[in-house]
Amino acid sequence: GAGVSQTPSNKVTEKGKYVELRCDPISGHTALYWYRQSLGQGPEFLIYFQGTGAADDSGLPNDRFFAVRPEGSVSTLKIQRTERGDSAVYLCASSHTSPGRGNTEAFFGQGTRLTVV
Amino acid sequence: AQSVTQPDIHITVSEGASLELRCNYSYGATPYLFWYVQSPGQGLQLLLKYFSGDTLVQGIKGFEAEFKRSQSSFNLRKPSVHWSDAAEYFCAVGPPTGRRALTFGSGTRLQVQP
Repeated sequence: GAGVSQTPSNKVTEKGKYVELRCDPISGHTALYWYRQSLGQGPEFLIYFQGTGAADDSGLPNDRFFAVRPEGSVSTLKIQRTERGDSAVYLCASSHTSPGRGNTEAFFGQGTRLTVV
Repeated sequence: AQSVTQPDIHITVSEGASLELRCNYSYGATPYLFWYVQSPGQGLQLLLKYFSGDTLVQGIKGFEAEFKRSQSSFNLRKPSVHWSDAAEYFCAVGPPTGRRALTFGSGTRLQVQP
């Protein structure tokens, strides 16, 4: 597609439930990032994929959070046993990797607003 | 560890007035520097970026930013603000090599008065 697509745009779930958030990056972008943005804050890094592998998952807050990108394109962020503190906007971004420069600018999706009640 | 400080949480300017949004960063070397804008219900849009070279960079929508190594700053400026510039602005830093993720500041909300 023309831009980074995230679905759903909004998700309301009950505490303790499992949720999946989907990100469809710009075609051809090998780098993909997940960020979490709490109210009144800037985005915080969660995990970064280069191709199919998680190159850096140091931002995941705990083992309830997991992300996959099995074919190097679409990624899914999975949250188990959701807690009210997980409520935030989850942003996905993708970028092109050039041989000389590495990753170039990141393009962001509009995010998924997750509300845990 | 890298960090970004945007000291102004909220700024109000009159339409047509000049604007400067402050950004200071802490990093071990010269990072890549970015300014993003986020309008309500919208994703983050890149305004401009600095990788190397000329320290004054031009962006979209008439914005510019100046990298000052001695001050570890990357302030965003616009000579004449339009009502449509009202939004949240985020400064971000990223490493030139290795981990590619960005570290964002907490943002500055810009309000434009008619």
